[in-house]
Amino acid sequence: QKEVEQNSGPLSVPEGAIASLNCTYSDRGSQSFFWYRQYSGKSPELIMFIYSNGDKEDGRFTAQLNKASQYVSLLIRDSQPRDSATYLCAGPASNTGKLIFGQGTTLQVKP
Amino acid sequence: DAGITQSPRHKVTETGTPVTLRCHQTENHRYMYWYRQDPGHGLRLIHYSYGVKDTDKGEVSDGYSVSRSKTEDFLLTLESATSSQTSVYFCAISESRDQPQHFGDGTRLSIL
Repeated sequence: QKEVEQNSGPLSVPEGAIASLNCTYSDRGSQSFFWYRQYSGKSPELIMFIYSNGDKEDGRFTAQLNKASQYVSLLIRDSQPRDSATYLCAGPASNTGKLIFGQGTTLQVKP
Repeated sequence: DAGITQSPRHKVTETGTPVTLRCHQTENHRYMYWYRQDPGHGLRLIHYSYGVKDTDKGEVSDGYSVSRSKTEDFLLTLESATSSQTSVYFCAISESRDQPQHFGDGTRLSIL
């Protein structure tokens, strides 16, 4: 069973701090990863995707992919209360059209 | 926002009745997916489609069937609903298998 694993949290950080969310995966064939944010009662919303080793930055968000160690992370700089949500990591099952989702990490940003 | 419409948004029905959920997209994307989301289980794939009349099973397909007769519509059917199928159902679409998936607003289904 190919898996994507996340710590469910909650991860609590003070406003203005850096939040670090991590995800490990078992399928070495995975080439791309996606981070989704889900507010309570809402649908998942794509916030970042990364296809290659290294870092990808978009505003306050940085996604990091390390294929050798099979982990992917999401850094949120200058965390705000509006960032409080569940963050889902997802990676494709090799050679299929499927995504495998982690359980999600709940982030709480405290004012 | 991706043009994805799920209907109905809420439904309450009784055990043993058939239920059909509809996902309609205006993006002309090839791939469409049905997920269910339950506390403690995250998002789980039920079925997906990679083209008109081309579908495949996900990890929790038992008790569900799907059909895709047009690019824009993907139907999920519970032939005889059970209480264990009470859940929030999300439809998602993607342009290709390596591209991100975008989600609809979800259908909250309660089976009494």
